[in-house]
Amino acid sequence: EPEVTQTPSHQVTQMGQEVILRCVPISNHLYFYWYRQILGQKVEFLVSFYNNEISEKSEIFDDQFSVERPDGSNFTLKIRSTKLEDSAMYFCASSVDSYSGNTIYFGEGSWLTVV
Amino acid sequence: AQTVTQSQPEMSVQEAETVTLSCTYDTSENNYYLFWYKQPPSRQMILVIRQEAYKQQNATENRFSVNFQKAAKSFSLKISDSQLGDTAMYFCAFMKRETSGSRLTFGEGTQLTVNP
Repeated sequence: EPEVTQTPSHQVTQMGQEVILRCVPISNHLYFYWYRQILGQKVEFLVSFYNNEISEKSEIFDDQFSVERPDGSNFTLKIRSTKLEDSAMYFCASSVDSYSGNTIYFGEGSWLTVV
Repeated sequence: AQTVTQSQPEMSVQEAETVTLSCTYDTSENNYYLFWYKQPPSRQMILVIRQEAYKQQNATENRFSVNFQKAAKSFSLKISDSQLGDTAMYFCAFMKRETSGSRLTFGEGTQLTVNP
């Protein structure tokens, strides 16, 4: 069964460093997402991406975050200058098209620890 | 804005028994979707079941079924014949019905433990 894949599975980084989290969405999917889950808290929406541009973003997704689809298969989340509070599990997700109600499929997550 | 509430932080059930997880939500929307996702210790989010708000019939997926009460804004998940592999965090989630995709709003989660 096709799945969303994410790398790395776990990354430890120094505060202030840049981090890039990578995702390969399901191949025929057109709508991509990043969510995050701080340990012990709710899963929170960060951003959605469609047709090579941001479709929607939450208040969490400030200027230190950016997303990019650098080629036909990868979807990346960049955190420019990491803070301690960015420590979380980051989930990439995708859905087949832009119509709501389509199932959103999640990857296994990238666990980011900022020290 | 939508909110999703899961009032049971933890639940446990004996293997082969039935358990019901509660979820309530608040929205002014009339058209929307509701989901239950499962997050096992591997931490991957896995879709369990999906319900369209405009459908009165409750969704079922093998041992998993929902009790959708639109007027009460309630969306509970029933797991029948519980198995050890059902041990996981279960998240209820809401999605508005829009023409251009929509975000999921999650509840706090319920940690379910299935005991042998």
